[in-house]
Amino acid sequence: AQRVTQPEKLLSVFKGAPVELKCNYSYSGSPELFWYVQYSRQRLQLLLRHISRESIKGFTADLNKGETSFHLKKPFAQEEDSAMYYCALSGRNYGQNFVFGPGTRLSVLP
Amino acid sequence: GAGVSQSPRYKVAKRGQDVALRCDPISGHVSLFWYQQALGQGPEFLTYFQNEAQLDKSGLPSDRFFAERPEGSVSTLKIQRTQQEDSAVYLCASSSTGQPYEQYFGPGTRLTVT
Repeated sequence: AQRVTQPEKLLSVFKGAPVELKCNYSYSGSPELFWYVQYSRQRLQLLLRHISRESIKGFTADLNKGETSFHLKKPFAQEEDSAMYYCALSGRNYGQNFVFGPGTRLSVLP
Repeated sequence: GAGVSQSPRYKVAKRGQDVALRCDPISGHVSLFWYQQALGQGPEFLTYFQNEAQLDKSGLPSDRFFAERPEGSVSTLKIQRTQQEDSAVYLCASSSTGQPYEQYFGPGTRLTVT
């Protein structure tokens, strides 16, 4: 069964410092991986997906199939990056094959 | 246009009561998803509709949970004989395609069962 783990419930960094939010997954196949973000009092929204290989708001994430990881990185954190971040995995089909991790709360300190 | 809306935003129910949670998807979106998010956890899939057809209900935790989308637009998630473990935020999302990563989320309904 597919599973997504995010080992850190809370990550605090200072403004301007690099940030890395960890995500590991288990899936017997070729999954699609995503990062979702939820800012305070806002809705859950897609941040980026590994297939698009985009950099959104300065964030990037590389899928490492050998380590089954999809860590989210940003070289210089900003205060407005403070939010809940969820890693998610999509298997071949929809529904139960779309699995979210438990989330990491990122707090960027001034 | 307006995004996904959900009502009520907050619901307190006594254990054993039935509740109905409503989701209004973005107009024209064919796919609709329901998730349950317990405190401190990520969203967990409950069920998925394409138009009026419920294509996957494998995430519904028990037969007390029932979802419908009779006209392919508004959807209702019904929970019968609520239990304390049903306390959670229930999220609805819609997508213009069938792809879950393209889904737009509603604000959620926070259900508290006392």
